Amino acid sequence: DARVTQTPRHKVTEMGQEVTMRCQPILGHNTVFWYRQTMMQGLELLAYFRNRAPLDDSGMPKDRFSAEMPDATLATLKIQPSEPRDSAVYFCARAPGPPNTEAFFGQGTRLTVV
Amino acid sequence: KQEVTQIPAALSVPEGENLVLNCSFTDSAIYNLQWFRQDPGKGLTSLLLIQSSQREQTSGRLNASLDKSSGRSTLYIAASQPGDSATYLCAVKGGSEKLVFGKGTKLTVNP
Repeated sequence: DARVTQTPRHKVTEMGQEVTMRCQPILGHNTVFWYRQTMMQGLELLAYFRNRAPLDDSGMPKDRFSAEMPDATLATLKIQPSEPRDSAVYFCARAPGPPNTEAFFGQGTRLTVV
Repeated sequence: KQEVTQIPAALSVPEGENLVLNCSFTDSAIYNLQWFRQDPGKGLTSLLLIQSSQREQTSGRLNASLDKSSGRSTLYIAASQPGDSATYLCAVKGGSEKLVFGKGTKLTVNP
């Protein structure tokens, strides 16, 4: 099953609060991507992992964002503290197996920071 | 740095028309190219995946071509329908396994 589930689907939070977004299941030997989508910038790659190790997180503001895989089936993206400019839709995707395989996206988490 | 461009940004056509969406990329060293569809407020649905060694892929009324040497791909939609209205995105996966997206083409098919 290629489906990826993201939770929560919607999140409204106050500036300064911590936000955690989840993505699962992530199965072994997957590449996991985190993207942020806004009207102005389109889809921006924040970070991507393979076998739970970060390959590139240069797209992520590291002073407030962190991406991890707490266990083999779960990927998380945390923002602490959140700011209004973080308001966007955040997508995770997984690409199973070798690099030439198809990527499957979750439905996204719509984050609003007020 | 890989850059992906999609032209046009928006397209409006009458129902039944055949149409072509364009995608270009700057670095031809790719593993594959993938076309996605995104409906408003929804996630991305994969339409077609073309490996770097392939020239085209077909699924129903959709046909995607790839010319890796020139850095171009096209998505051909035959006999368009109002239900095809969505934003179409292309994404390229390069040697670093990074998946880089264009900004999409917003398609409207008018009944």
